[in-house]
Amino acid sequence: EVQLVESGGGLVQPGRSLRLFCAASGFTFDDHAMHWVRQVPGKGPEWVSGISWNSGSIGYADSVKGRFTISRDNAKNSLYLQMDSLRVEDTALYYCVKDSRAVITIQFNYWGQGTLVTVSS
Amino acid sequence: QSALTQPASVSGSPGQSITISCTGTSSDVGSYNLVSWYQQHPGKAPRLMIYEGTKRPSGVSNRFSGSKSGNTASLTISGLQAEDEADYYCCSYAGSSTVVFGGGTKLTVL
Repeated sequence: EVQLVESGGGLVQPGRSLRLFCAASGFTFDDHAMHWVRQVPGKGPEWVSGISWNSGSIGYADSVKGRFTISRDNAKNSLYLQMDSLRVEDTALYYCVKDSRAVITIQFNYWGQGTLVTVSS
Repeated sequence: QSALTQPASVSGSPGQSITISCTGTSSDVGSYNLVSWYQQHPGKAPRLMIYEGTKRPSGVSNRFSGSKSGNTASLTISGLQAEDEADYYCCSYAGSSTVVFGGGTKLTVL
């Protein structure tokens, strides 16, 4: 059974940093691209960042480019999102999402339960 | 990266068909066959319903179908059922390893 378990969310002040983690299991992690997608309650999902199987292709939404860094450790079946210079508008539920293929094809076929990030003074 | 444009809401009666449009640009929807659609019920994570514009994952009812013409993709749901009532989001590859979602459409089954 595919499982994606996010952690690392919490309450943080504007301008500070936070690192999100996603532990993956139930599939061959290094056969799949992975993504972070966030969603403000009551709003639609917003794609944040994606990474191919070997970290050779990485993309970011304009809203987070230069502030967020996605990475993965295939040996540990783990996905990360380093979030720096956080803003109030980064407040959302952050989902770890599995792509169906090794490269980014936006077949988001499995989603974690999400970890809540709240940026507030 | 501008969000794809979807109607805010659509509605239909049980048994009817509805279509949700998703309009992008020549930089996203118009350039790639990488459009996917997601269904989201309240309090749940989104569920993949259509990928590569027209393909259905296993387990998704054949009442759901996708199409694309130019810069606009569409999701059609035939034989509407009460459980289809949900929010629907389109998503497109936008080049350079980037992705863009639509603003979402709330489907009401009357």
